[in-house]
Amino acid sequence: AQKITQTQPGMFVQEKEAVTLDCTYDTSDPSYGLFWYKQPSSGEMIFLIYQGSYDQQNATEGRYSLNFQKARKSANLVISASQLGDSAMYFCAMREGLYGSARQLTFGSGTQLTVLP
Amino acid sequence: NAGVTQTPKFRVLKTGQSMTLLCAQDMNHEYMYWYRQDPGMGLRLIHYSVGEGTTAKGEVPDGYNVSRLKKQNFLLGLESAAPSQTSVYFCASSYPQGLPQVTEAFFGQGTRLTVV
Repeated sequence: AQKITQTQPGMFVQEKEAVTLDCTYDTSDPSYGLFWYKQPSSGEMIFLIYQGSYDQQNATEGRYSLNFQKARKSANLVISASQLGDSAMYFCAMREGLYGSARQLTFGSGTQLTVLP
Repeated sequence: NAGVTQTPKFRVLKTGQSMTLLCAQDMNHEYMYWYRQDPGMGLRLIHYSVGEGTTAKGEVPDGYNVSRLKKQNFLLGLESAAPSQTSVYFCASSYPQGLPQVTEAFFGQGTRLTVV
């Protein structure tokens, strides 16, 4: 079964509007971390935001926030006030376990976001 | 501070040839990973390592071998390249999860490999 599911292959958003990129995950481990990465057309992987399974509050980093709904096993990325430079592929990822029992870092298939002027 | 460095950046191989991709990190990270990225498939884990001298299989390990003889280096080998191994390969490293340090994975710039 897929551990990380991103159901939106492509998304469009108007400049200055907010957009939500969906991510659902599957794990039976109570300890895990969730990550979002951005990959622009140049190809590099850029870390955006992290949410730990025990974190009480949703993570925020500037214009990025993570809508973490543990019971629903979802970790959606919200980008506020979209900019043209936000056009890129976005990946959700999960690493299960803590130090000493951590396992692989697994990625979803990605969402291609296009910001329209 | 170089971060994660992959060598080479580009390579063209003939079917059946062998090669080794080198990943080096200077952040004293315990964990290292090798991924391949194909259109529409996201990043798929090939092999990973949680410490010097240890390796483990990921989602798509067939046709690849790895070694982690030194903490800072993680080598990915293709013994007999096939056209299906044409892909972009990424190396990444991170601290173990659960420690005070930041735990996100840092990526190299990628290696574009074409097997003809």
